[in-house]
Amino acid sequence: EAGVTQFPSHSVIEKGQTVTLRCDPISGHDNLYWYRRVMGKEIKFLLHFVKESKQDESGMPNNRFLAERTGGTYSTLKVQPAELEDSGVYFCASSQRWHEQYFGPGTRLTVT
Amino acid sequence: AQSVTQLDSQVPVFEEAPVELRCNYSSSVSVYLFWYVQYPNQGLQLLLKYLSGSTLVKGINGFEAEFNKSQTSFHLRKPSVHISDTAEYFCAVSAPLQGAQKLVFGQGTRLTINP
Repeated sequence: EAGVTQFPSHSVIEKGQTVTLRCDPISGHDNLYWYRRVMGKEIKFLLHFVKESKQDESGMPNNRFLAERTGGTYSTLKVQPAELEDSGVYFCASSQRWHEQYFGPGTRLTVT
Repeated sequence: AQSVTQLDSQVPVFEEAPVELRCNYSSSVSVYLFWYVQYPNQGLQLLLKYLSGSTLVKGINGFEAEFNKSQTSFHLRKPSVHISDTAEYFCAVSAPLQGAQKLVFGQGTRLTINP
């Protein structure tokens, strides 16, 4: 069974540009989560989808971040426009049962 | 709201020695507790979890953790470590009875095994 995949693995963009991160969950997992780890700090929750609906988006930092999950399958996280403080590692996780979240390898975003 | 404190940012130990990674949490409601491990260039992997029942939880790779409600702790232990245990370890809590499935993580502990 394939695990959670994320693309790209690394992205370097300039301040003000747009970046879109993609997450493909494990097949059949209704729950999809986005987390972020800024350098030197803890991993923080961004939002939670149940199928295509946003269940909890309390961790989204501001309106420059837009997450979508069309059709309840893969999800994208767009940052527009990117700022320096957006640099970090973005993790995606999926689960069928909430207490067993499977994480992807992460996307390392560097904003220069 | 919940918070997690991992008391050590780095822990160096010798191979075959025992190790304990400390985790304390704060919450006004009942929580579930988790330990995750991140090996180099990989995603986070669930080591073990405490949902209910026995306070001593056994996980993968010989790790175990004990939930102590009075001390609000969930320390991770292994009696004899191997080079392959070199990784970053994360303690996390969740309060799903409040309707939120999100994990709240500690800052991580980097475990380094020396030969």
